[in-house]
Amino acid sequence: GESVGLHLPTLSVQEGDNSIINCAYSNSASDYFIWYKQESGKGPQFIIDIRSNMDKRQGQRVTVLLNKTVKHLSLQIAATQPGDSAVYFCAEFGGYQKVTFGTGTKLQVIP
Amino acid sequence: DTEVTQTPKHLVMGMTNKKSLKCEQHMGHRAMYWYKQKAKKPPELMFVYSYEKLSINESVPSRFSPECPNSSLLNLHLHALQPEDSALYLCASSQTRGREEQYFGPGTRLTVT
Repeated sequence: GESVGLHLPTLSVQEGDNSIINCAYSNSASDYFIWYKQESGKGPQFIIDIRSNMDKRQGQRVTVLLNKTVKHLSLQIAATQPGDSAVYFCAEFGGYQKVTFGTGTKLQVIP
Repeated sequence: DTEVTQTPKHLVMGMTNKKSLKCEQHMGHRAMYWYKQKAKKPPELMFVYSYEKLSINESVPSRFSPECPNSSLLNLHLHALQPEDSALYLCASSQTRGREEQYFGPGTRLTVT
């Protein structure tokens, strides 16, 4: 389940299950969004992006959904694997070169 | 080569020291970025260089001084830092400065004593 507190929100899922990570963005003028994965001791790694003229985009095992009405973004990971364990950030591109990262969600995959 | 490299990996410095962080990419990208990331927090944008010119400074204190000597290199000069400046400093690059993927380096873990 999810927990929110003084630490990063954490999502624990069983290996093989699907994961859904959510992000609320702040700027209604943001027109481009990226999901990043950050493993411990590494820089963020691009997973998938979506532009505001779309509401869904699929990659390999990942799907991003965009709901502009409620300013909500989600990342779905199919058949979650132990290697998916990491912190996931959404990033929104608003004004001129302005990019803002969301607070992040830690995904823990239980073998 | 889709790699952004950063040196050093770790840096410990006193509050009176002067040091520099270095970033390099050979992907032909014309936009480069510095971010600061505290533990359990998202990266925060500090500076953006576009075609070797500083295009964004997110009200960063002057004790941080960026430099872009050429299109492949980005430096961050540090002077008279405070302990609260201890963080992971990430460099990133992208093709231009638009809506596109940013490639991140592994970061420099900075500790100010």
